[in-house]
Amino acid sequence: GAGVSQTPSNKVTEKGKYVELRCDPISGHTALYWYRQSLGQGPEFLIYFQGTGAADDSGLPNDRFFAVRPEGSVSTLKIQRTERGDSAVYLCASSLRGGAGSNEQFFGPGTRLTVL
Amino acid sequence: QKEVEQDPGPLSVPEGAIVSLNCTYSNSAFQYFMWYRQYSRKGPELLMYTYSSGNKEDGRFTAQVDKSSKYISLFIRDSQPSDSATYLCAMSASQAGTALIFGKGTTLSVSS
Repeated sequence: GAGVSQTPSNKVTEKGKYVELRCDPISGHTALYWYRQSLGQGPEFLIYFQGTGAADDSGLPNDRFFAVRPEGSVSTLKIQRTERGDSAVYLCASSLRGGAGSNEQFFGPGTRLTVL
Repeated sequence: QKEVEQDPGPLSVPEGAIVSLNCTYSNSAFQYFMWYRQYSRKGPELLMYTYSSGNKEDGRFTAQVDKSSKYISLFIRDSQPSDSATYLCAMSASQAGTALIFGKGTTLSVSS
């Protein structure tokens, strides 16, 4: 019974570089979420996928951020031209769509992104 | 005013104490309420999930929701050093497919 997994666990990059963060949801979970957690804060919503499509991307801070989920399972969060303010822990969560309790979201361990 | 307010603490208690953690919120549309526990450098772990007002108990943990006051609580009985973590409240208006709105989290330390 594997949970949500995220790779890499840590990523250090330089300002202006491109990064990709990967999320593997729980098997059978059709809903997938990305959140960002800054130090001393709660997670903040970025984007939600139902299947392959982004159903809600209202939390993406700007057009440098993009996410895909081409086969409805694994998702990749992509950040272009990284800035120091992008440094945070990026969390992925998944939930089982449909029925009671379907908004129970289960989180992965996160990817700690540091932009130098 | 943020949608969800949570005192960040820190909160320090001796082993065996009863702990009370709280959140207030402003959006009356919220109907689903959750408590997550987050250990240092780990992802949030779902502890309790409740719908609408009322109480829910699971072992040493009790979650309470008072929608009339827009106030939710998590009680931990017989607290243990292993309970030392950050506790995050989260809520949403819909059952599925919506973002969770989190509080800042309360850091709890239980000393033996």
